[in-house]
Amino acid sequence: GAVVSQHPSWVICKSGTSVKIECRSLDFQATTMFWYRQFPKQSLMLMATSNEGSKATYEQGVEKDKFLINHASLTLSTLTVTSAHPEDSSFYICSAREGTSNQPQHFGDGTRLSIL
Amino acid sequence: GESVGLHLPTLSVQEGDNSIINCAYSNSASDYFIWYKQESGKGPQFIIDIRSNMDKRQGQRVTVLLNKTVKHLSLQIAATQPGDSAVYFCAERNRDDKIIFGKGTRLHILP
Repeated sequence: GAVVSQHPSWVICKSGTSVKIECRSLDFQATTMFWYRQFPKQSLMLMATSNEGSKATYEQGVEKDKFLINHASLTLSTLTVTSAHPEDSSFYICSAREGTSNQPQHFGDGTRLSIL
Repeated sequence: GESVGLHLPTLSVQEGDNSIINCAYSNSASDYFIWYKQESGKGPQFIIDIRSNMDKRQGQRVTVLLNKTVKHLSLQIAATQPGDSAVYFCAERNRDDKIIFGKGTRLHILP
């Protein structure tokens, strides 16, 4: 089946640093990728949607300069949390879809980000 | 605005019994719904989906029911097992073709 891989699975870093999270589709071409954030005991909140080769579309309230998204190829999207602070600590989950919206959306296993 | 919510944050079920997890949605224009299972520290795992032109769909040990009249969705798990312990989310595809998640219900299996 379709597999979405995220790296790293867990990262701890100091406040003020920037952190990059990778999301790869291993056996299909991800035309569209989605980034979600999940705080403890809460639901997944959609942050942004990106199509390969285009700028990402951010949901209301999500700072595009804070969360930089790059989707340069059909198998890789990256999320960079710039100048991370403790309030950015969360579980970040990516999702990828091949083709149109009628295709299933496959989820990665998330990246646990802890900012000290 | 659009929202997908759940009635109960936690559900405890005896092993072997059937589980029923409920979900209410507010967007009557939604045409596609999905149930996901999320285990601790992992991403959501697809369980079953249903389109708005159906009112019931069955999978292996799971059934999803859709009542468009009252905008209600439910997930039934037959013969609940310890491995079913997880948080379950209903989700809907909105008019922008994005998957929007509900609040989640934690299913706890009693021995």
